Amino acid sequence: QQQVKQSPQSLIVQKGGISIINCAYENTAFDYFPWYQQFPGKGPALLIAIRPDVSEKKEGRFTISFNKSAKQFSLHIMDSQPGDSATYFCAASSGTYKYIFGTGTRLKVLA
Amino acid sequence: NAGVMQNPRHLVRRRGQEARLRCSPMKGHSHVYWYRQLPEEGLKFMVYLQKENIIDESGMPKERFSAEFPKEGPSILRIQQVVRGDSAAYFCASSPPDNQPQHFGDGTRLSIL
Repeated sequence: QQQVKQSPQSLIVQKGGISIINCAYENTAFDYFPWYQQFPGKGPALLIAIRPDVSEKKEGRFTISFNKSAKQFSLHIMDSQPGDSATYFCAASSGTYKYIFGTGTRLKVLA
Repeated sequence: NAGVMQNPRHLVRRRGQEARLRCSPMKGHSHVYWYRQLPEEGLKFMVYLQKENIIDESGMPKERFSAEFPKEGPSILRIQQVVRGDSAAYFCASSPPDNQPQHFGDGTRLSIL
C-alpha cells in the first residue's frame, strides 16, 4: 500500500511534442505529490508539486493533473525540448516526511 | 551555493572498511533526510533527523548503518564494515520545519571493491 507505481519506464518524444508520465498510488493518506527531475550524476531537482485539494497545477511548460478518485496523478511536459531529456520521478508523502518514490521514467526528447 | 552540499561526491572503499558520508543542509533548513538509490531504481528512504535527534530510522538496515546530525556541523551517514551490496548513490535532502518540500544534494556515489 506504500507503493507508487510509475509508467512508462522510458519515453521517447519528438521536439515540440507532449511528454506524459503517469503515477498511481493506493494509500489514501498521501497528501503531497512532488515531481523531481534528475540528470545523470546529479541529485533530483524539484519540478512541481501538488496537494489533493486541486485537480491541476501548471508551472511554465510543466503541468500536474491529479485525479483523487482514481488515485492517479500525471506530469505533462508541453513543447518538450532536448534539454528536458532526463529521468523523472514522482513521489508521495502522507503529511509526514517520508517520500515514497516511483521507479522513474527515462525521457528522451529527439531534436 | 545555497543548496544542499554533500561530500565526497565519489567514495571508494574496500570490503570491511568504513564509509562516512557528509551532508550540509540548505541555509535555514533544520530537517535532514537520507535516501539510497540503486542503479535504475527510485530513491528509498533511510532516515530522518533533526538537530541532535533521530526522528525516524525505519529505512535504515538494522546493522552497520548509523546517522547523526549534531548541534554543530554536517549530518553524517556512517556505514561500518562495508559490503559489495552497499554500492549505491546516497542522497541527502533537507527541508524547512514544515517538512515540505525536500531539496536534494547531488549525492555521494559509493563503490565497494
